[in-house]
Amino acid sequence: DTGVSQDPRHKITKRGQNVTFRCDPISEHNRLYWYRQTLGQGPEFLTYFQNEAQLEKSRLLSDRFSAERPKGSFSTLEIQRTEQGDSAMYLCASSPPQSSYNEQFFGPGTRLTVL
Amino acid sequence: AQSVSQHNHHVILSEAASLELGCNYSYGGTVNLFWYVQYPGQHLQLLLKYFSGDPLVKGIKGFEAEFIKSKFSFNLRKPSVQWSDTAEYFCAVNERNDYKLSFGAGTTVTVRA
Repeated sequence: DTGVSQDPRHKITKRGQNVTFRCDPISEHNRLYWYRQTLGQGPEFLTYFQNEAQLEKSRLLSDRFSAERPKGSFSTLEIQRTEQGDSAMYLCASSPPQSSYNEQFFGPGTRLTVL
Repeated sequence: AQSVSQHNHHVILSEAASLELGCNYSYGGTVNLFWYVQYPGQHLQLLLKYFSGDPLVKGIKGFEAEFIKSKFSFNLRKPSVQWSDTAEYFCAVNERNDYKLSFGAGTTVTVRA
């Protein structure tokens, strides 16, 4: 399968715990994006990387959230001290370097439930 | 920031009926426009896209969309739906030279056999 992959697919945690999600983009895609989707809403932009550089972060991304893409390949999104309001689907997407039109390919998402 | 509005939250129709889903966006400059579809249990997939040129674009599975710049709209259409078109449909926009997508809230389409 050459699509975007995300791990885990589901995560249940207790309030206050830290969680980390991983995203593997399509090979050779240099841009990687994180979005969050809550029930009844469309995805909301969180942050994006071009290679290993994090170029933009949304105001939605509080200090408890951190994302990395250390070698310009896979990325991790960590949430510290989770809150019930963090419960959502976390989506990762990637786009190729020649795409000035920014066609993004999405992964299956990680569904987070904070109890 | 971009604002994207999808007119219908839930649409129910019978097979062979025609479908039109509305999408309006707020930005007045040059944009790229997308429709994504999410079938039950699957991830978001690109249905069609508009960057420039002919404002009527054709996508996969018989879908098409028309960009009307004066109305800031990008409505999705299909002349005759099938049961397999049951899914959630999202309109998305990004400003040229800005990589983040802004999505509408989505429209759930239920096609009855």
